[in-house]
Amino acid sequence: EPEVTQTPSHQVTQMGQEVILRCVPISNHLYFYWYRQILGQKVEFLVSFYNNEISEKSEIFDDQFSVERPDGSNFTLKIRSTKLEDSAMYFCASSEDRVQGNIQYFGAGTRLSVL
Amino acid sequence: KNEVEQSPQNLTAQEGEFITINCSYSVGISALHWLQQHPGGGIVSLFMLSSGKKKHGRLIATINIQEKHSSLHITASHPRDSSVYICAVTGNQFYFGTGTSLTVIP
Repeated sequence: EPEVTQTPSHQVTQMGQEVILRCVPISNHLYFYWYRQILGQKVEFLVSFYNNEISEKSEIFDDQFSVERPDGSNFTLKIRSTKLEDSAMYFCASSEDRVQGNIQYFGAGTRLSVL
Repeated sequence: KNEVEQSPQNLTAQEGEFITINCSYSVGISALHWLQQHPGGGIVSLFMLSSGKKKHGRLIATINIQEKHSSLHITASHPRDSSVYICAVTGNQFYFGTGTSLTVIP
């Protein structure tokens, strides 16, 4: 069964450093998403991406964050100047389309620890 | 302000019991999702619905658009159903509930 793959599973970084979280969505999917979940809190939407551009983003997704689809398979989330409060689980998801009836498939997540 | 409210927050049931988890939302939506987050953190999509009812195995999800309410039912619950169940809605953005932690005791 096709799946969304995220790497690394755990990323440890020093405060102020830049990190890139990587995702390989399901190959025929057109919409891609990033979410984060701070430990003990609810999942929060960050951004959705379609046709090589951001289609929606939340208030959380400020200039510190950026997304890119550098090639035909990868979808990346870059976090610049990481802060302690960026420590969270980051989930990537993809769907065939955004219209009703198309569910999102989630990756296993990348746990980011900022020290 | 929570756009999506779930109840109960925690639920303990005996194996075999019928379980209901409720979700209410306050925003206009195009779809509602029920997700399962396993103890290890992984998230699996269970249902996406915009009207009526869907069934998959022992799971049933219903939505009432007029009342802005959805329920997830689990029939004949089993210890392996123990997870956090999350309601999320797709509107202008994606909003998530805080989840319902279900424990099914043998």
